[in-house]
Amino acid sequence: NAGVTQTPKFQVLKTGQSMTLQCAQDMNHNSMYWYRQDPGMGLRLIYYSASEGTTDKGEVPNGYNVSRLNKREFSLRLESAAPSQTSVYFCASSERTVFKIEFGSGTRLTVV
Amino acid sequence: GIQVEQSPPDLILQEGANSTLRCNFSDSVNNLQWFHQNPWGQLINLFYIPSGTKQNGRLSATTVATERYSLLYISSSQTTDSGVYFCAVGEASGSRLTFGEGTQLTVNP
Repeated sequence: NAGVTQTPKFQVLKTGQSMTLQCAQDMNHNSMYWYRQDPGMGLRLIYYSASEGTTDKGEVPNGYNVSRLNKREFSLRLESAAPSQTSVYFCASSERTVFKIEFGSGTRLTVV
Repeated sequence: GIQVEQSPPDLILQEGANSTLRCNFSDSVNNLQWFHQNPWGQLINLFYIPSGTKQNGRLSATTVATERYSLLYISSSQTTDSGVYFCAVGEASGSRLTFGEGTQLTVNP
C-alpha cells in the first residue's frame, strides 16, 4: 500500500496564479483532511471531508476550496495564490473522523 | 476551541538517555494522537491514545483524560528519534484534531 499520496511535492507560484493540490489514499478510509504547516507552528486544519460527498471548513479555510472527488481522492485548490499561502501542505486520511490519522509526505508551496 | 500545550518546547539529549514529553489540553477529548515529524518533514503517527497506556518498542504513551494530560516516554533514545513531536487532540463534541506546537527533540551521539 502506498498510503496517502500527494502531488506535487514542490511548487512555486506567482501571486494571483491558481493551482490544485492532489491527494489520494489507498487505505479505504472514509475521512480525509488538508492541513497547512507554517514555520514554528503546529498543523492547522484547512478543510476536511468526514465521508464521501461531504466537506467542511476547518480552522483556516479562507482562500481555499476543496473537492472530494470520490472515496480515494481529495483535492485542494488555490484560486488566486497569495504570499500568505506559502506553506507546507499535508493531506491526511483516517478510517473515520475520531480515529488514527495518517499523513502524506507534504507539498512545499512557495508563492512569490 | 480547545487549547493544547506541549512541554518542553525544546529538549536536547545524549544518546541512551530517557525523556518524557507532556501534552496538556483544556477540555474533554475523544481523540488524542502523538506524531513524530522527522528532519525530512515526514509525519509519522506514533499512537492513537484517547485514554490508557500503550507501548511500542522504546516508546510508550499514557493519557489521563480526566486530568487532561498525556505523556510520551522515550527510553534509550537514539539519534533517529530527533525531530518534532506533536500532540493532537479532538474535542469530545467534535470531529477535528487540534495540534500543539510541538516539542523539538535533538538526540546527540
